[in-house]
Amino acid sequence: GAGVSQSPSNKVTEKGKDVELRCDPISGHTALYWYRQSLGQGLEFLIYFQGNSAPDKSGLPSDRFSAERTGGSVSTLTIQRTQQEDSAVYLCASSFVSTSGSGEQFFGPGTRLTVL
Amino acid sequence: LAKTTQPISMDSYEGQEVNITCSHNNIATNDYITWYQQFPSQGPRFIIQGYKTKVTNEVASLFIPADRKSSTLSLPRVSLSDTAVYYCLVYSGNTPLVFGKGTRLSVIA
Repeated sequence: GAGVSQSPSNKVTEKGKDVELRCDPISGHTALYWYRQSLGQGLEFLIYFQGNSAPDKSGLPSDRFSAERTGGSVSTLTIQRTQQEDSAVYLCASSFVSTSGSGEQFFGPGTRLTVL
Repeated sequence: LAKTTQPISMDSYEGQEVNITCSHNNIATNDYITWYQQFPSQGPRFIIQGYKTKVTNEVASLFIPADRKSSTLSLPRVSLSDTAVYYCLVYSGNTPLVFGKGTRLSVIA
């Protein structure tokens, strides 16, 4: 009964470098979300994958951010040419597709990104 | 913009009941009211969800009046381990969640 896992748990990088963050959702969950949380702030939606549909990228803050989801399971969030304002905790969540009600999202522990 | 309004912070002593009220005046017919809990250095965790009237589980109760424009999360007999940020959200289906600032609950011994 593994939950959502993310790696690495911490990442320190230099300004201008590219980083990749990984998310392993709960098996069978077809919906996957990326959020980020800056220090002392609420969560900010980044991108949403649902099955084979085109992802909802409306929350990505710039074209330096991209994400993919391979085989409907693992997802990778890539940040190119990192900036100091990218420093935050990046959280991944997954859920079943609910036919009624609201789908409970299961969150991973997050990746803390620090850009020096 | 978050579709909910809740107090920024609350303090309580151990053993007391804590009630956190959330306003959601523009809730849609299909929206459910959902509360998440977040401890420091962890992702949010689902606590409870309801559509109308009252819902109770092993962790909390959720009271929703008939007009559904507000809701109250009730935590019975809080302990120090209930110190966390509590988020009230309204949404339907599988959609990205819009988080506000939440309510920071501090439980004091």
